[in-house]
Amino acid sequence: NAGVTQTPKFQVLKTGQSMTLQCAQDMNHNSMYWYRQDPGMGLRLIYYSASEGTTDKGEVPNGYNVSRLNKREFSLRLESAAPSQTSVYFCASSDPMNSWHGYTFGSGTRLTVV
Amino acid sequence: AQSVSQHNHHVILSEAASLELGCNYSYGGTVNLFWYVQYPGQHLQLLLKYFSGDPLVKGIKGFEAEFIKSKFSFNLRKPSVQWSDTAEYFCAVRRGNAGNMLTFGGGTRLMVKP
Repeated sequence: NAGVTQTPKFQVLKTGQSMTLQCAQDMNHNSMYWYRQDPGMGLRLIYYSASEGTTDKGEVPNGYNVSRLNKREFSLRLESAAPSQTSVYFCASSDPMNSWHGYTFGSGTRLTVV
Repeated sequence: AQSVSQHNHHVILSEAASLELGCNYSYGGTVNLFWYVQYPGQHLQLLLKYFSGDPLVKGIKGFEAEFIKSKFSFNLRKPSVQWSDTAEYFCAVRRGNAGNMLTFGGGTRLMVKP
């Protein structure tokens, strides 16, 4: 089925470890996003990529880096994980060139940093 | 800065009760408005959206929302909830000049008792 695929679904890290969250979409969307979801705070934008080759900071970029590898893939990297980065991470994509339907979300990655 | 406020963080209803979830935003220009739903353990799914035209929009599963420009509001309603409506609901706003960026509210967690 077409959509947004995120891996892994669950991850436990020790403080200071690094990891990369993977995201891929097969809908030929131009724009991709990384959000984190925390209780009572809704979804906050970490980074986004308006189109292939471009990335920009969102609301909470500190401690993260991103790579728009190609049109399909947009990865999020934690270089040195901290307990404050314990969260659920969602990747999303959208196609602003057509009638705008909002975002299509992946199923999320639940990350715990101990 | 633009903000999206959902004043009800937790709502508990009995089946067949009527539902209204509030959403207010602070931006004064052209906006597109969305409601997303997140069922337990799942990713966000689009419930309904408003771009222009009739301010009363109907979405899936019997939900509707009314855009009241003068009140900067986009409240979600359902006449009679079911146990299966138990989920978290997010309001989101896209400013007319903000590209594809969505700003989300903090979410409202709805529990429907059978």
